[in-house]
Parts: sequence; C-alpha cells; structure tokens
Amino acid sequence: AQSVTQPDIHITVSEGASLELRCNYSYGATPYLFWYVQSPGQGLQLLLKYFSGDTLVQGIKGFEAEFKRSQSSFNLRKPSVHWSDAAEYFCAVVLSGGYNKLIFGAGTRLAVHP
Amino acid sequence: NAGVTQTPKFQVLKTGQSMTLQCAQDMNHEYMSWYRQDPGMGLRLIHYSVGAGITDQGEVPNGYNVSRSTTEDFPLRLLSAAPSQTSVYFCATLDRSSYEQYFGPGTRLTVT
Repeated sequence: AQSVTQPDIHITVSEGASLELRCNYSYGATPYLFWYVQSPGQGLQLLLKYFSGDTLVQGIKGFEAEFKRSQSSFNLRKPSVHWSDAAEYFCAVVLSGGYNKLIFGAGTRLAVHP
Repeated sequence: NAGVTQTPKFQVLKTGQSMTLQCAQDMNHEYMSWYRQDPGMGLRLIHYSVGAGITDQGEVPNGYNVSRSTTEDFPLRLLSAAPSQTSVYFCATLDRSSYEQYFGPGTRLTVT
C-alpha cells in the first residue's frame, strides 16, 4: 500500500541549532513530494515541493529538502532554527496524475527551546 | 482575494444530527478536496472534485456526502453525525499549474 512515514512524532531543538525532519515514502514510481507546515490553530502552508530535476530543493522560511531515490526519502532541513519555526510539519506525496489526492504522513511536531 | 474560506470555525453536534460544512474559493481552481485531520494520523482525503458536477471518493468517504454545483463552492455534508467524525476538517483547492494546494483555516467539529 502507498504510504508516507514520518518516524519522529516530536522533536525538540534549541534556537539556532540545525534541524532535520525525516520522511520516507513507499511507492513504485517517484511521486511528487511536498512539505507543509501547520502553525497552531492554522491551516497548512506549503514549504517546498519536488517534482523532478535537482534533488536539493529550496523552500520558504530558509527550509530545504533533499530527495534521495535510493532511500525513498525526502528529508527537510534548516541550518538554524528560529523560535517561530515551532509548528507541526507534514510530508506529503501525490502520484503523477493524482492531482489533488495528497497522501500525508502523520506529522512531526517541532518544539524550539530558547 | 479571500482564498479558501470555511464556515463555521467550530461546531458541536449531537449523535445523529446532520450538518453541512461550507467551503468557498475565489481562485477559480477546478480541483477541490476535503480532508480530515486527526491526532497522529496526518490529513486524510475524504472526497474530492475535479470540476463542477464531478466528485469522487477519497480515502475515508463513509458518512460524508459532497456535491459541486459551482466552481466556487464545495460543501461537505454529514447526514447522521457520529462521535468518530469528531475531527478538524480542511478544505483545499489545487493550482494545477504548480500542483500547490491551498488550504482553508479549518472547521473543528465535535460530535457528542
């Protein structure tokens, strides 16, 4: 079955530290990959996406993600975390042609210590 | 541009009651979707629509109905609410040129 796994439910980092959030997917073909962020009580906002080409993609708010086909992974990174980055982060995939049928991971809740 | 709007923001229902969650968009996107968000499960697709008059089931459609009479509106109906439908519901549209989905602010529904 198609699935998206985010192994870390909660992560806590200190402000200024680096961050990596993990995402693995299981599909036969390379899907379209997304990272979304959800601040408390808010809807979801797109951070970045990968369709093809350069496997390192840049997003908003200083985030980047790297697609690794051999590991079926699409991990999200940020070199220096700010307190305002505290939120829940969702990895999502859609099969080519699946249009708006996003499949989401369970999410990773990020806490930032001052 | 208001983007994607949802009403109400909060709702409490008794088991067996019916209600409609409203979703409207002003971005002229053909594709719209309804998701529910439950703790530890991410968002799951309930129903989606690829244009006016066309709808289809997602991952968890049971207990929900949708219709799409206009491009702008995509209401979600609960015919007989159950406690298992306690959740946060998000409506989203899709920009087909970028594959980016735009989410509404959500409706928090509690069924007692």
